[in-house]
Amino acid sequence: AQKVTQAQTEISVVEKEDVTLDCVYETRDTTYYLFWYKQPPSGELVFLIRRNSFDEQNEISGRYSWNFQKSTSSFNFTITASQVVDSAVYFCALSEEYGNKLVFGAGTILRVKS
Amino acid sequence: ETGVTQTPRHLVMGMTNKKSLKCEQHLGHNAMYWYKQSAKKPLELMFVYNFKEQTENNSVPSRFSPECPNSSHLFLHLHTLQPEDSALYLCASSQDRGTRANIQYFGAGTRLSVL
Repeated sequence: AQKVTQAQTEISVVEKEDVTLDCVYETRDTTYYLFWYKQPPSGELVFLIRRNSFDEQNEISGRYSWNFQKSTSSFNFTITASQVVDSAVYFCALSEEYGNKLVFGAGTILRVKS
Repeated sequence: ETGVTQTPRHLVMGMTNKKSLKCEQHLGHNAMYWYKQSAKKPLELMFVYNFKEQTENNSVPSRFSPECPNSSHLFLHLHTLQPEDSALYLCASSQDRGTRANIQYFGAGTRLSVL
């Protein structure tokens, strides 16, 4: 069975600090996909990134970066120079290669204070 | 602007009421989903539809009744709900399950309060 663990329930940082959100997953599949979503106070889950299990290159998009390490089954998300607008709940998720099921972690609440 | 629109955004209903939640997607997708998000609980998948056919029902109580008349619209009919059904109900859409690495796109949700 697939499982995603986000051990950090809540993180508070001051603006401009860097912050890393942890995600650890479990799966027996050799091909799978990992996702991050952001849920701001408005409620909508916003898709941020999708990675496949064969691509372990780190990815950077502006202030966001993702570190995928298959050896530790982790897919961590770092926000550099955090801003108040980054305050949200962040979800890590896992899916099989095909199909409709996304297995979500419990989410991490990020609070960025000015 | 999101490609998935949910109405209403907020709903308050009594336990004896009947109401419906509506979801519409403009992304050309063939799969649609209902999720429930309660406070301090993980996202719970409720129903999945592929090409208008229900392909997943995660043991959801019968007081929740989904309807998918076409690939663009999804409804959740509610009747005789309980206070513990109060939650944020999220709709999502994606390509169908035969597509690799589906990305699900979400609406902003309906915040439901059952009194």
